[in-house]
Amino acid sequence: DVKVTQSSRYLVKRTGEKVFLECVQDMDHENMFWYRQDPGLGLRLIYFSYDVKMKEKGDIPEGYSVSREKKERFSLILESASTNQTSMYLCASSRSSGGYQETQYFGPGTRLLVL
Amino acid sequence: AQTVTQSQPEMSVQEAETVTLSCTYDTSESDYYLFWYKQPPSRQMILVIRQEAYKQQNATENRFSVNFQKAAKSFSLKISDSQLGDAAMYFCASPSGSARQLTFGSGTQLTVLP
Repeated sequence: DVKVTQSSRYLVKRTGEKVFLECVQDMDHENMFWYRQDPGLGLRLIYFSYDVKMKEKGDIPEGYSVSREKKERFSLILESASTNQTSMYLCASSRSSGGYQETQYFGPGTRLLVL
Repeated sequence: AQTVTQSQPEMSVQEAETVTLSCTYDTSESDYYLFWYKQPPSRQMILVIRQEAYKQQNATENRFSVNFQKAAKSFSLKISDSQLGDAAMYFCASPSGSARQLTFGSGTQLTVLP
């Protein structure tokens, strides 16, 4: 079974702090994703990566950056946390297979509260 | 931007009954997969069922099946013999942007009544 883990289930941070959210997958997947989940808005893609050191912006990249130094690890960085970044953050991974979207496997999520 | 619409924010079903969750999508892809995911309360999001758009036959996984209407871009999920464990938020997802990306709907919260 694919396992996707996230470094924290719950985080409380202060406005202006730098925040690191880490995600690790154990199935050698090429693709990794960061989403934020807010009530009524579903999942919105922040960034994704299709290879080590490669990244692409999703729908809402503002205020976020990412890092992928190793294939199994994908980090989301909030350079200066703000209250409007309070949300649930979900990491996912998938393999690459030609031109089709493969099934994404999700981590348990990190619920971030910015005070 | 690609859109996925789940028009039912909340639904309820009696245990052992059947319920259908609706989803419409908008993609410019010709061949693609569509997905239904389930997120139980405080638990991990998991795949429920996947439909290959180039297959005319609707996908089925035990009590879960889809009604896929490609021309109408409609992809509904039918849950038969509903169980208490089916209570969850359900998300529909369709391709968007690059071949790797999915767009998710806003979700349908399903309550199963005993």
